[in-house]
Amino acid sequence: KAGVTQTPRYLIKTRGQQVTLSCSPISGHRSVSWYQQTPGQGLQFLFEYFSETQRNKGNFPGRFSGRQFSNSRSEMNVSTLELGDSALYLCASSLAVAGGPEDTQYFGPGTRLTVL
Amino acid sequence: AQKITQTQPGMFVQEKEAVTLDCTYDTSDQSYGLFWYKQPSSGEMIFLIYQGSYDEQNATEGRYSLNFQKARKSANLVISASQLGDSAMYFCAMREPNFNKFYFGSGTKLNVKP
Repeated sequence: KAGVTQTPRYLIKTRGQQVTLSCSPISGHRSVSWYQQTPGQGLQFLFEYFSETQRNKGNFPGRFSGRQFSNSRSEMNVSTLELGDSALYLCASSLAVAGGPEDTQYFGPGTRLTVL
Repeated sequence: AQKITQTQPGMFVQEKEAVTLDCTYDTSDQSYGLFWYKQPSSGEMIFLIYQGSYDEQNATEGRYSLNFQKARKSANLVISASQLGDSAMYFCAMREPNFNKFYFGSGTKLNVKP
């Protein structure tokens, strides 16, 4: 089975621009979660989508948004980029059924975003 | 309160020795899952091992084992026979069943010395 894929792997943007990151989960996984990782703040949860619905949301401003498509692929968008948005953005997918090891989150390689 | 606490920001271990990475958690749920991930410098988070709250046996996966002490709410990762390739950040995580919420610790940076 193919793993979680994320595109693009690297991105350089300037302040004020917007960016869209894409994540394709493992086949059969319906839950996709997004995380932001920075040296100062560590790994922070952005949001989780399950069957095209946002089920969980972290404490991020409204500039961060996401969506999930019927094939479980997910995108996240950041508008009006700020310098502090420079980070590694990780996507993770899971079966998210009733509990147990099947709920393990498997991560993609990440998208490294640099805002200049 | 922190859901996951990793008190060791950095650790050193000699190659071929065993090392224990500490993790404590906080939950009032009876049913939860505990996970360990490895993150090399490349950035990808690699799943290592899972322990369910109802599992009576400690989980093992190759050189990785999880020392699960439910009453103390601790889930320490033990790596036996350390290898140079084990040098990485290690994250402890917990899943609470309600709404599939995952919580991650701040990580422990492990350096394996030759």
